[in-house]
Amino acid sequence: AQSVAQPEDQVNVAEGNPLTVKCTYSVSGNPYLFWYVQYPNRGLQFLLKYITGDNLVKGSYGFEAEFNKSQTSFHLKKPSALVSDSALYFCAVRAPSGGYQKVTFGIGTKLQVIP
Amino acid sequence: EAQVTQNPRYLITVTGKKLTVTCSQNMNHEYMSWYRQDPGLGLRQIYYSMNVEVTDKGDVPEGYKVSRKEKRNFPLILESPSPNQTSLYFCASSLLTGPTNTGELFFGEGSRLTVL
Repeated sequence: AQSVAQPEDQVNVAEGNPLTVKCTYSVSGNPYLFWYVQYPNRGLQFLLKYITGDNLVKGSYGFEAEFNKSQTSFHLKKPSALVSDSALYFCAVRAPSGGYQKVTFGIGTKLQVIP
Repeated sequence: EAQVTQNPRYLITVTGKKLTVTCSQNMNHEYMSWYRQDPGLGLRQIYYSMNVEVTDKGDVPEGYKVSRKEKRNFPLILESPSPNQTSLYFCASSLLTGPTNTGELFFGEGSRLTVL
């Protein structure tokens, strides 16, 4: 079975400071990892993904994420947070155990950027 | 404009009254999927489809049905809704990029369902 853990329900960060939203996963085989963002009363929007290759992937709105196979982590980062980054963030995984068709999401982390 | 459209966006119904939530995408995507979002549980996959007439169960399929008669449409059917199906539902689609699906999901705006 595949699973995703987002250990923090909420992350608070001051505007202009770097932010990190944590994600760890448990799968058999090589995973595909994704980050999505959800603004209030909206559907999820894709931010970035890791499929293969460079462990540091860059995505939309200045976000990036680092794939760490040994720690089975895929933390989302941004060098300088904006108030407009405040939203709910989801990590997701596709893996061979699900035929790469099942998508498992974490429970989400609420990011609050304080002006 | 590329989009995934769900209807209705809001619905209040009563236990046992059959309902259908429609989902349509205009991006010619092969893969479509339904999720429910519940507080503290994140998003859980209900059903997915890799193409017309091809559907499979996700993690929480009980109480739901789907069909994929056309590529663009993937309706979610609740034959006999119960209060534990009160939730926020999302439809999503993606390109099927090959045997290992690397495509990101495009989501609809959600359908908030309340079953009394």
